[in-house]
Amino acid sequence: NAGVTQTPKFQVLKTGQSMTLQCAQDMNHNSMYWYRQDPGMGLRLIYYSASEGTTDKGEVPNGYNVSRLNKREFSLRLESAAPSQTSVYFCASSGASSNQPQHFGDGTRLSIL
Amino acid sequence: GQSLEQPSEVTAVEGAIVQINCTYQTSGFYGLSWYQQHDGGAPTFLSYNGLDGLEETGRFSSFLSRSDSYGYLLLQELQMKDSASYFCAVRSYSGYSTLTFGKGTMLLVSP
Repeated sequence: NAGVTQTPKFQVLKTGQSMTLQCAQDMNHNSMYWYRQDPGMGLRLIYYSASEGTTDKGEVPNGYNVSRLNKREFSLRLESAAPSQTSVYFCASSGASSNQPQHFGDGTRLSIL
Repeated sequence: GQSLEQPSEVTAVEGAIVQINCTYQTSGFYGLSWYQQHDGGAPTFLSYNGLDGLEETGRFSSFLSRSDSYGYLLLQELQMKDSASYFCAVRSYSGYSTLTFGKGTMLLVSP
């Protein structure tokens, strides 16, 4: 029972490089989310996708783009990485009801030099 | 917008009871959730309160007072493995229901 799978687990980039973080869930959830977590901070929502084919900005979307490839997969892209984007990125998924818990992946630890 | 306040750190000993408080300000409030995170790993869901009152799940209980914009997580019979960060999160509605997380409370359980 894999749940939410994120790849890669670790990545080091140079400023200006681009990369895509991958996320897949096998729980048949409609909703998926990308968060970043910085030291001493809670999880901040970057983008979310309420259902296949839709995406919306969260609290901190600048510098990121997303693609909801299908119901299972939701990717996060950094087009031109900046040191301020050094963070731990978590992907999550949930059912459609408002009281449904979010299930998180193990995170991607991203450092930008 | 939304804002949540919770203590940054709480310490306790094994076997004790600890309460982690959370106050929030939000519009379109749906409910309050609690998540646990060990050592920067994947956050895991603990509880959800959509209505006022107490929800109990084993050693953990969570309480909500909507009129006071306040909730808490109560951990009983503390164990060393309960050392972790605990996040409250409000579910609010502004076109779609999303979660806004507090900054987290680090719980340190000592022998």
